[in-house]
Amino acid sequence: GAVVSQHPSWVICKSGTSVKIECRSLDFQATTMFWYRQFPKQSLMLMATSNEGSKATYEQGVEKDKFLINHASLTLSTLTVTSAHPEDSSFYICSAHTSGTYEQYFGPGTRLTVT
Amino acid sequence: GQNIDQPTEMTATEGAIVQINCTYQTSGFNGLFWYQQHAGEAPTFLSYNVLDGLEEKGRFSSFLSRSKGYSYLLLKELQMKDSASYLCAVRDPINFNKFYFGSGTKLNVKP
Repeated sequence: GAVVSQHPSWVICKSGTSVKIECRSLDFQATTMFWYRQFPKQSLMLMATSNEGSKATYEQGVEKDKFLINHASLTLSTLTVTSAHPEDSSFYICSAHTSGTYEQYFGPGTRLTVT
Repeated sequence: GQNIDQPTEMTATEGAIVQINCTYQTSGFNGLFWYQQHAGEAPTFLSYNVLDGLEEKGRFSSFLSRSKGYSYLLLKELQMKDSASYLCAVRDPINFNKFYFGSGTKLNVKP
């Protein structure tokens, strides 16, 4: 149980375009989902917290107009990187949490390359 | 804020025991996690400590001392597949669902 999927697993896009990444909890309802970014050889940096039906809470330094988060249902959250630039190239990982547990369940990650 | 420190890299031999340390300075404490992450993959849960002491789970054990702001992950009978990064994470004292990760320790297991 507690499986989280992400789509796509990797994507290459041109500078200036937008990319949408999906995060789904497959066998449980996620009250909260989190989006992390990880640069090579670095740890996960929390970008934002996403609660179903409400606006995401962004960490300091993360541009909410650039990284649009939509948590439309208890099993789906999306991250849209708008007007992508090469410096946005990174590994984006989502995680999901459900009430009554202390653990976060991570998706397999999406590798974004902006050319 | 949260400050979490781990060694950057360690090397150990197959079959040996290795201890990976983590120290943290946080505004409060609400639990510490260890995750394993293979290159290019998502982290997988290893252990959770909220009280002082040792939690054992097969070849992996994790220890916590809240008064010292210190934890370690102990890996016994090392296998080549244990080569990975090990991430220490602490939970936000107010928002239980938020985790803050250390920079991770890259463990290289050699034959």
